Formats: sequence, structure tokens, C-alpha cells
Amino acid sequence: DVKVTQSSRYLVKRTGEKVFLECVQDMDHENMFWYRQDPGLGLRLIYFSYDVKMKEKGDIPEGYSVSREKKERFSLILESASTNQTSMYLCASSFAGEQSDTQYFGPGTRLTVL
Amino acid sequence: DQQVKQNSPSLSVQEGRISILNCDYTNSMFDYFLWYKKYPAEGPTFLISISSIKDKNEDGRFTVFLNKSAKHLSLHIVPSQPGDSAVYFCAASIRVFGNEKLTFGTGTRLTIIP
Repeated sequence: DVKVTQSSRYLVKRTGEKVFLECVQDMDHENMFWYRQDPGLGLRLIYFSYDVKMKEKGDIPEGYSVSREKKERFSLILESASTNQTSMYLCASSFAGEQSDTQYFGPGTRLTVL
Repeated sequence: DQQVKQNSPSLSVQEGRISILNCDYTNSMFDYFLWYKKYPAEGPTFLISISSIKDKNEDGRFTVFLNKSAKHLSLHIVPSQPGDSAVYFCAASIRVFGNEKLTFGTGTRLTIIP
């Protein structure tokens, strides 16, 4: 059974703080993704990674960076948190190639920036 | 620019009846389509998919229909059950280019009335 875990379910941070969101998957998946979910906007891709130390910008990368030092771990970094980054953050992973569309999601981290 | 659209933010259906969720897309390069289901406080889970070479795919109570000329897909759930109450996201990808990103719609909240 695929398991994607996220370090926190709920997080409250202050404006300007540096925020780290961690994601770990246990299925040896090549691909990992970070999304944010907002009402009326659906899931929007922030960054993704095809391999260790590889990263690609998604549709809304501004204000975020990522790190993938190990295959199983993908971190999302908010360098200086702002109130408009208050959102639900979802991490996902998948195999490469033909099976890549079937993504497995973690439970999400609800981040509030005050 | 929303390339995948779900125009109904919510839908209520009586238990036992058919639920029909709709999704429209604008990018004619999309060649693979998926539906994901999301319960509160959980990540989305894969439900059913369809390749652009087909116009129908069935899995138990769930059937997805694809109309390429209209750039429209729909998810039918028959019969609807209370456990089907969730948010449903449609998603699309461009497999032919090896593009492993998914573009998600905005979601439809389905409520099954007992």
C-alpha cells in the first residue's frame, strides 16, 4: 500500500518566517509533486521533481522553492511566508512513464500565515 | 488560464439515483484524463481514467465518457451511495510528449442525500 506522509497536518506561521513542509513516500516513486488547494481554484501545481536533485517549476512557483536530496523526500520551502500563502498544501508521488498520471497524495498540510 | 474546468461547484443527488459530474477542457493536446475523489482531511485518491483513443471506460458503479470533439468528459456514478459524498476533481495530461504533469479542474462537491 502506497504511503505518502506529510510532516504536519496543521501549521501556523507568522508573516516573514521561513517555512519548511516535508513529504516522504515509501514506494520508490521517481516523481514527486507539490500542489496547493484553494476554494474555487482546485489543485494548482507549485513544483515537481523527476529525480533526486531535479526540480521543475509548476504553474505557480513564485514565493516557493523545493529540495530533493533523497529519492523518497521532497521538501517545499516558503522563503518568507506571506498571508496569501495561507492554503492547503498537498504532496503527491508517482512512478515515471506510463503510470505517472496515477498520483498518490498525502493527507495535506493546512498552513495559516498570520 | 483554466485549461480544465468544472463549471458546477456543487451537486446534490438522491441516494440510489445517478450522479453526473462534468468537466470541460480547452487544450486539444490532452490525451489522458482522470478523475480523483477527495474526502475532507484526506488527500485525493485516483478513481478512474480514460485514454483519448476511447470514448468510454467503466469500473463498477463508475463510468467515464469522453467526447473529444466537444472537449468534454463526464463521470457517471450509478447507483449513488452516501459514501460517494466527496469533492471530485477531473485532471488531464499530455502523455504523447512524456509530459507527466497533471492539470486539475476546480472540483465539484457531490452530496448524496439519504
